[in-house]
Amino acid sequence: DAGITQSPRHKVTETGTPVTLRCHQTENHRYMYWYRQDPGHGLRLIHYSYGVKDTDKGEVSDGYSVSRSKTEDFLLTLESATSSQTSVYFCAISESPTDTQYFGPGTRLTVL
Amino acid sequence: AQSVTQPDIHITVSEGASLELRCNYSYGATPYLFWYVQSPGQGLQLLLKYFSGDTLVQGIKGFEAEFKRSQSSFNLRKPSVHWSDAAEYFCAVGSPDTGRRALTFGSGTRLQVQP
Repeated sequence: DAGITQSPRHKVTETGTPVTLRCHQTENHRYMYWYRQDPGHGLRLIHYSYGVKDTDKGEVSDGYSVSRSKTEDFLLTLESATSSQTSVYFCAISESPTDTQYFGPGTRLTVL
Repeated sequence: AQSVTQPDIHITVSEGASLELRCNYSYGATPYLFWYVQSPGQGLQLLLKYFSGDTLVQGIKGFEAEFKRSQSSFNLRKPSVHWSDAAEYFCAVGSPDTGRRALTFGSGTRLQVQP
């Protein structure tokens, strides 16, 4: 299995609070992705990174920001969490944009 | 824009029966195609992928998929289902051009296996 960890694995927070999710990889892959998974929607891309300090938006990026200061870490921040951001968040990595993506175990976030 | 459709939200099959999960995609050129499986509470595991070449692709756990360009389909098959195959299955498409750097996923098909 690809070396991908996500932290925390579960989090409950209140509306309006900031939340940061962390994705850490030991594979030295250049590309990293954040998806959210909701029933009936499959996985939808939030943001992705194609190198240190290089990021771009996905299809559901509103309300989220990301940062990548090191190859191995990709942070997802909800500046002011809302109930609509209750979801399961998955990080993924790949060597290139056309290569297989490997997924982390996910973080279940509940916003009350 | 590329898109993926999995027409079946939920499928129930008997153990030992054959399985086919449907996936249709929309994309202007030949895409890269993937099938992932997700067991309850787990992350996604790659079953198989198609990049080019032979249109019949073999994957792990006895699964296979066939790319049919004329039908824009990439259906997943297994000749004999095991109870441990109960999970959710996702089809995904990636584009060869570097302007699109992530996968587009279908909404998933949940497989239930009856004893």
